[in-house]
Amino acid sequence: KQEVTQIPAALSVPEGENLVLNCSFTDSAIYNLQWFRQDPGKGLTSLLLIQSSQREQTSGRLNASLDKSSGRSTLYIAASQPGDSATYLCAVEGQAGTALIFGKGTTLSVSS
Amino acid sequence: DVKVTQSSRYLVKRTGEKVFLECVQDMDHENMFWYRQDPGLGLRLIYFSYDVKMKEKGDIPEGYSVSREKKERFSLILESASTNQTSMYLCASSLNLLQGPQETQYFGPGTRLLVL
Repeated sequence: KQEVTQIPAALSVPEGENLVLNCSFTDSAIYNLQWFRQDPGKGLTSLLLIQSSQREQTSGRLNASLDKSSGRSTLYIAASQPGDSATYLCAVEGQAGTALIFGKGTTLSVSS
Repeated sequence: DVKVTQSSRYLVKRTGEKVFLECVQDMDHENMFWYRQDPGLGLRLIYFSYDVKMKEKGDIPEGYSVSREKKERFSLILESASTNQTSMYLCASSLNLLQGPQETQYFGPGTRLLVL
């Protein structure tokens, strides 16, 4: 059964730092891997989707990489800002259109 | 712009009550999902549906049922609410794509349910 793990569980950084969030998964047979952002008490917002055939995706200051063979993904956030403070969730989709399997998230706090 | 709406942001119910959580999406998505989110446990799948009148159990279906009478609406039903069903409930939808660019799941804002 697929399991998704995120490390660290929480992270505090000063504004302007570059940072990396880690995600690992146990079964490399995935359809895609997705990163979401969740603000307190709110729903999830999709950040990046990496298809199983891709190695990385970029959106603005965010870059996500995927190494399917080793079961790892990283989310790189450049020049962090206080507005980046949120919980970041990694999820894998095993087959097209199936439910996502989520990690427990990394809660990021960026101080000004 | 895809929109997934949930009928209530906050609900307070009594133990034993029947509770309905409604989810509506406006993008003609085939797939719809109900998750619950709890501190320390993350998001867990309760039920999902690939089409009208079709449903599949997720990881934690006990104590829940669902209804999908129309494509845009997916309802989660707590037959007899219990305190251990106090949680954040999130609905999501997605396209059932067989080819072309992959698409993410779109989430509603969540319903925070408190069962007393």
